[in-house]
Amino acid sequence: EIVMTQSPATLSVSPGERTTLSCRASQSVSTYVAWYQQRPGQAPRLLISGASTRATGIPARFIGSGSGTDFTLTISSLQSEDFAVYYCQQYNDWPPTWTFGQGTKVEIK
Amino acid sequence: QLQESGPGLVKPSETLSLTCTVAGGSISSSTYFWGWIRQPPGKGLEWIGSMHYSGSTYYSPSLKSRVTISIDTSNNQFSLKLTSVTAADTAVYYCASFPNAGYNSYAFDLWGQGTMVAVSS
Repeated sequence: EIVMTQSPATLSVSPGERTTLSCRASQSVSTYVAWYQQRPGQAPRLLISGASTRATGIPARFIGSGSGTDFTLTISSLQSEDFAVYYCQQYNDWPPTWTFGQGTKVEIK
Repeated sequence: QLQESGPGLVKPSETLSLTCTVAGGSISSSTYFWGWIRQPPGKGLEWIGSMHYSGSTYYSPSLKSRVTISIDTSNNQFSLKLTSVTAADTAVYYCASFPNAGYNSYAFDLWGQGTMVAVSS
């Protein structure tokens, strides 16, 4: 089973700063990686699929990159609404499984 | 839109049953997969299973022996059944969907609001 490991667990960032979240897969997952944002009390929202493709309506400040086993989500200039928990997720084609990382909380510094 | 429904309380050893109603689209469409994800209180997301209208169904290895996902085309719904529940199955359960457009698109882009299910006697 593929394990997705996110780091760090918590990031303390000031508004307007740039921040980078990391996600590492236990084996290669090509570019079959997505990123989600979850605000308190809300369902997750898809930000990025295919490692780097922004979902509909997602601002350009969210930038996904990576392939193979190492992936990053960069938020270029943090806005107040970006303080949330972020999850990476991989898709493995055989057997077909989806796995989430444990999450990174981005909090106000 | 997706909307979960079902009991908020289930007794240990019984079966958890939830339904997700699909609004604004057809569950019979070949262009989407349907799935369930759960989140225990204060914890992360766990994929439970995914299903396509064609009948292709995939389950989490850790839950496979207890899970069934099925589609009800007459009511435009899909459902989750989880047997022999314990307190560890207490969680918010989300239904979700993703487009059938290649592996890079296999990300859940539409989510229900979630429904909390507690397992307790």
